[in-house]
Amino acid sequence: ILNVEQSPQSLHVQEGDSTNFTCSFPSSNFYALHWYRWETAKSPEALFVMTLNGDEKKKGRISATLNTKEGYSYLYIKGSQPEDSATYLCAFPTGGSQGNLIFGKGTKLSVKP
Amino acid sequence: GAGVSQSPRYKVTKRGQDVALRCDPISGHVSLYWYRQALGQGPEFLTYFNYEAQQDKSGLPNDRFSAERPEGSISTLTIQRTEQRDSAMYRCASSLVGGGRTDTQYFGPGTRLTVL
Repeated sequence: ILNVEQSPQSLHVQEGDSTNFTCSFPSSNFYALHWYRWETAKSPEALFVMTLNGDEKKKGRISATLNTKEGYSYLYIKGSQPEDSATYLCAFPTGGSQGNLIFGKGTKLSVKP
Repeated sequence: GAGVSQSPRYKVTKRGQDVALRCDPISGHVSLYWYRQALGQGPEFLTYFNYEAQQDKSGLPNDRFSAERPEGSISTLTIQRTEQRDSAMYRCASSLVGGGRTDTQYFGPGTRLTVL
């Protein structure tokens, strides 16, 4: 059974702090790793799809790295702002040719002004 | 263009009733996925379509759940004889290419189902 783990479960930071959190996934049969940002009462918003070992992607103050050999990805937020408060989900496609995703439970980030 | 839309946004029903949840994907998107999301959890896969063909229904919890996408666009998830444990947010997502593992999935706003 594929398992996607995220840590920490929740994180409280002050505005301006930089932060990071982890997604762990099976390192065998790697296809891709997806990151989503989800605000309660809204739809999950796609951030990144990462495919190559050593990949680093950036979107504004948010960036992510990927290590497929050891099975982890880090998401970094530089200079956190209150509007960054959300749950950050990572997801791993199941095997075969299908794109259905297995999601982690997410890291809930709260940024205090 | 418009994003993924779902209707109704909220559905309250009594135990034992049937419900039909609708998903309208982004125009031109080949793949359509249904997920269920419990409070505070990530989405959990239910089923997926490429065009009108249901490719995988392994995530459907039991035979009370069914889905269709007859013309390869709009999809309906039907839950028969609803039970309280069916209460959850039901989310639909679509992606441009057929079921690719690297394709971005775009999620709809979800239908919040409450079974009394």
